[in-house]
Amino acid sequence: SQTIHQWPATLVQPVGSPLSLECTVEGTSNPNLYWYRQAAGRGLQLLFYSVGIGQISSEVPQNLSASRPQDRQFILSSKKLLLSDSGFYLCAWGMVSGANVLTFGAGSRLTVL
Amino acid sequence: AQSVTQLDSHVSVSEGTPVLLRCNYSSSYSPSLFWYVQHPNKGLQLLLKYTSAATLVKGINGFEAEFKKSETSFHLTKPSAHMSDAAEYFCVVSDGGYSTLTFGKGTMLLVSP
Repeated sequence: SQTIHQWPATLVQPVGSPLSLECTVEGTSNPNLYWYRQAAGRGLQLLFYSVGIGQISSEVPQNLSASRPQDRQFILSSKKLLLSDSGFYLCAWGMVSGANVLTFGAGSRLTVL
Repeated sequence: AQSVTQLDSHVSVSEGTPVLLRCNYSSSYSPSLFWYVQHPNKGLQLLLKYTSAATLVKGINGFEAEFKKSETSFHLTKPSAHMSDAAEYFCVVSDGGYSTLTFGKGTMLLVSP
């Protein structure tokens, strides 16, 4: 069966510090991978998605970047965090033929102080 | 363009009473529609999906939703609420493609004893 792992679960970082959130998927090959951010009362905002190694599409201009160094690994990064980067970050995977059904990780709570 | 509106930000019910969470959508094509549930500080879990088959869709934990094209609605219901149903629920619409999921802002379901 497929599983998705996301870490760290919680993170408190000072403004201006770097960020790295990691997501890995097991039990499937060539998944579509996604990073979402969730802010209170605002639903989910798609940040990045990837259809293959090294292929990253950005949905919104921001202080963040994403990379996919391996088929089942998706990393969300920042060189210098802003206060506005605080939020709940969710990684998800889906299959091209899966009617856009996504399976989500447990999330990473980032607080920037 | 597609959009989704969850008509209530909060819904309060008593345990054992029916649940109704309302969702209206807008889509230029024949959409796929989903309901996800999120418990506090957790990832999202798929409850059910509509993908142009039967208009009444049954999901996990006794939930179901009915696709009504004439009303552009996809309301989520459950005959009898349980305390464990307390969570946030998201209605999602998709026209297809990798990045075309649009999430509603969520409805928080509160269940009192």
